[in-house]
Amino acid sequence: GAVVSQHPSRVICKSGTSVKIECRSLDFQATTMFWYRQFPKKSLMLMATSNEGSKATYEQGVEKDKFLINHASLTLSTLTVTSAHPEDSSFYICSARWPDYNEQFFGPGTRLTVL
Amino acid sequence: DAKTTQPTSMDCAEGRAANLPCNHSTISGNEYVYWYRQIHSQGPQYIIHGLKNNETNEMASLIITEDRKSSTLILPHATLRDTAVYYCIVVGNEKLTFGTGTRLTIIP
Repeated sequence: GAVVSQHPSRVICKSGTSVKIECRSLDFQATTMFWYRQFPKKSLMLMATSNEGSKATYEQGVEKDKFLINHASLTLSTLTVTSAHPEDSSFYICSARWPDYNEQFFGPGTRLTVL
Repeated sequence: DAKTTQPTSMDCAEGRAANLPCNHSTISGNEYVYWYRQIHSQGPQYIIHGLKNNETNEMASLIITEDRKSSTLILPHATLRDTAVYYCIVVGNEKLTFGTGTRLTIIP
């Protein structure tokens, strides 16, 4: 299957700092990428849909000013958690949609811990 | 997108076929059934998808009932590495809405 990478895989930061997470589609161009969040023992929750060259669409209850999404190219989307707090600690997962096959491929996830 | 219902957990003996059911009684005509799985602390992995015909690939088979209100994912010869949470998702647009899934444990 297609490969989607995320960087970093794990990050620990102090409360109040901002953290950027990168999501890359390595062998296909993704016009649409998705960002999910997963708390322990819970299912994945869609946060936002990221379209190349346009503003992201956020799900209800997700603060767009706190979770900044940039989809600058067909292979890269970034999620920035601004002024992170301990309650933002979670597993963040991106996916990229491969239009030719109408499938979404997921990255390995980024575990964020805010102290 | 249509809601799905799956058993919370299942066990299966190693080497046997694992049959994971999913109910999606409100599915509409243009919605696909997708299956993903998530091994602990990893991103979800695509398994298979179908519209109304049964599908088979190197990982699994997908059996969809004629009325499309339910489906079964079959892992023909389960191994310990198949232990994971399996998600059945009905997709009409490109959004995937994950339910709670079935936690499948393969027993040695």
